[in-house]
Order: sequence, then structure tokens, then C-alpha cells
Amino acid sequence: QVHLQQWGAGLLKPSETLSLTCAVSGGSFSGNNWNWIRQSPGKGLEWIAEINHSGSTNYNPSLKSRVTMSVDTSKNQFSLKLNSVTAADTAVYYCAGGLGGSSSWGQGTLVTVSS
Amino acid sequence: DIQMTQSPSSLSASVGDRVTITCRASQGIRNVLGWYQQKSGKAPKRLIYDASSLQSGVPSRFSGSGSGTEFTLTISSLQPEDFATYYCLQLNSYPYTFGQGTKLEIK
Repeated sequence: QVHLQQWGAGLLKPSETLSLTCAVSGGSFSGNNWNWIRQSPGKGLEWIAEINHSGSTNYNPSLKSRVTMSVDTSKNQFSLKLNSVTAADTAVYYCAGGLGGSSSWGQGTLVTVSS
Repeated sequence: DIQMTQSPSSLSASVGDRVTITCRASQGIRNVLGWYQQKSGKAPKRLIYDASSLQSGVPSRFSGSGSGTEFTLTISSLQPEDFATYYCLQLNSYPYTFGQGTKLEIK
């Protein structure tokens, strides 16, 4: 059973950089692709990005210019950075793995962008 | 991007009812589609993968069907714990895209 535990700053000011990390335990890190997904308050789900264990990434074009995803295989962790945040980036951010396989999700982190 | 159009956006039903939710893809996605259930304040939970395969541990009253551009999620006999929001997710091509959700409420 794969378990994902995520953390990161929950309150940001406009123009700052969002930074979140997700740690994977209990399963195969190299055997899955890892994702970030967000959900704005009262809204639907938006896929942000995906990375595999070798660091190959895919980004949503709507966010690509501001997003960087990275992986640390020595710690079984992956991370998200979203720069130049605005109020529109206020959302619950989820890490998730194996969307086409085992499908595990983190607990979610509410990130609020406010001056 | 592949657009996933989910219907209805909301649905009122009673315990014991049979309900069906539909997702239509703007282009063919083979069978690379999952269905998720989300309860308030929780992460989505996958119910169905590859359009029709039941996730381990999910009750058999949930079923999925479809291929190409039209997909359905059926709950054969609604239970009180099934009242939630449901989403489809296509994994055929990047960017992955979700349907806008169906909120299932108690009548």
C-alpha cells in the first residue's frame, strides 16, 4: 500500500513561489509516475504536472511557464514549485501517484495566496 | 487539450436508486479513463480504472463502461455513503483532464 505524505507553506503573498514536497512510502517509487493536482475552492480538479523516477516531466501548458517539478530518488520524494503566484493559485494541492496504476493520493495542502 | 464533458452536473436521488453519470471526451481516448469519488474535505478516491475495471476494495454496485468518447459510471443501488461528488479523468494524452464533476445529493 503506497502512502503519500505532503507538506509545504500554506500562506503566500502574491508574486512568491509555492513550494510543496511529497514523500512516498510503502511501495515502488521507480515503478510509478508522480503527479500534482489542484482544486480551487468549490471548483473542480486540475492536473498540474507529472514526473517519473528518472526526472522526465510533463506539464499542463496552462501552467508550464511557472511550474517546475523535481524528484529526489534517494529520499523517495518529489516536489512542486510554482512561481509568481496570484490569488488564482489559491487551491488545495494534492500529490498523487500511479494515476493509471495503484492510484495513491496525499492528504492535500491548502495554499492561500493573499496580500 | 481533450475536453471531458460530464453530465449531469448535479443529481438528486434516493437510497436504493440506480444512477448513471456520463463523461464524453472531445476526442477518442481508447479506454484510458478513471472514475473518482470525492467527499468533502477529502482527496479523491478512484473507483474505476481503464473505464470498466473495479478498483480493489470498491463495492460491486459501482460499475463503469464505455470506450472511445463516451463513458458511464453506474451505481446500481445507492447507499447513504455514496452521496458525494464524482469525477472522470482521462489519461490518454497530456494534459490529463478531469470532468467538471457530478454532485450526487440525497432527494
